[in-house]
Amino acid sequence: GQNIDQPTEMTATEGAIVQINCTYQTSGFNGLFWYQQHAGEAPTFLSYNVLDGLEEKGRFSSFLSRSKGYSYLLLKELQMKDSASYLCAVRDSNYQLIWGAGTKLIIKP
Amino acid sequence: IAGITQAPTSQILAAGRRMTLRCTQDMRHNAMYWYRQDLGLGLRLIHYSNTAGTTGKGEVPDGYSVSRANTDDFPLTLASAVPSQTSVYFCASSQDNTGELFFGEGSRLTVL
Repeated sequence: GQNIDQPTEMTATEGAIVQINCTYQTSGFNGLFWYQQHAGEAPTFLSYNVLDGLEEKGRFSSFLSRSKGYSYLLLKELQMKDSASYLCAVRDSNYQLIWGAGTKLIIKP
Repeated sequence: IAGITQAPTSQILAAGRRMTLRCTQDMRHNAMYWYRQDLGLGLRLIHYSNTAGTTGKGEVPDGYSVSRANTDDFPLTLASAVPSQTSVYFCASSQDNTGELFFGEGSRLTVL
C-alpha cells in the first residue's frame, strides 16, 4: 500500500527553528508538496520538490531525498502565526496525490 | 469570484436526505478534485476530473457522485446521506494533474 508518515504533533518556541519530517512509500514518484493549514481553514501551498536537494523560500525550506523516500520542511525564526498543521503529499505514478495526516505545530512564546 | 468558491460553508442534514455541495472556480483550471478531511486522517480523494466532461473515482467514492459539465463547476452529490459522511469537504483545482492544488474554504457537513 501507499503511505505517508509524519509526526502527529510538534511543539517549538517562538524565534526558534523546527524541522518537520515526512517519509513516504508510494507507487512511483512525481513530486512532493508541503501545505500549511490553519485550524478551520483551507490548506495553502508552501513548497514543491521533484529533484533531490533543498528548496528555500524565505523562512521556509523543503528538502527531498528520493532514494530515502524522505523529505523535511524547515521553518526558521518561528512566529506565533506559524502555529498550524503542515501536510505532506506525494504524487504517485498515476499523478494522484497521496496525503499524510498532517503535523500539528504548536508555537509557544 | 477569486479562486474557488464552495457552498454551503456549513450544513446539518438528516440521514437519508440528498445533498449537493457546490464548487466553482474562476481560474480556468483543467483539473478539479473533491476531498474529505476527518480528524487524524489525511485528505482523502472522493472524485476528480482531469478536464471538463470527464470524471474519475478516488479513494473513497462510495455514496458520492460528481459531474463536470463545464470547466468552472464541479458539484458533489450525496444521494442519501449517512452519518459516516459527516466531515469537512474541500474542493480543489489545479492547472493540470501535475501542478499545485488550490483549495476552496471547505464545507462542513453534519449528518444526523
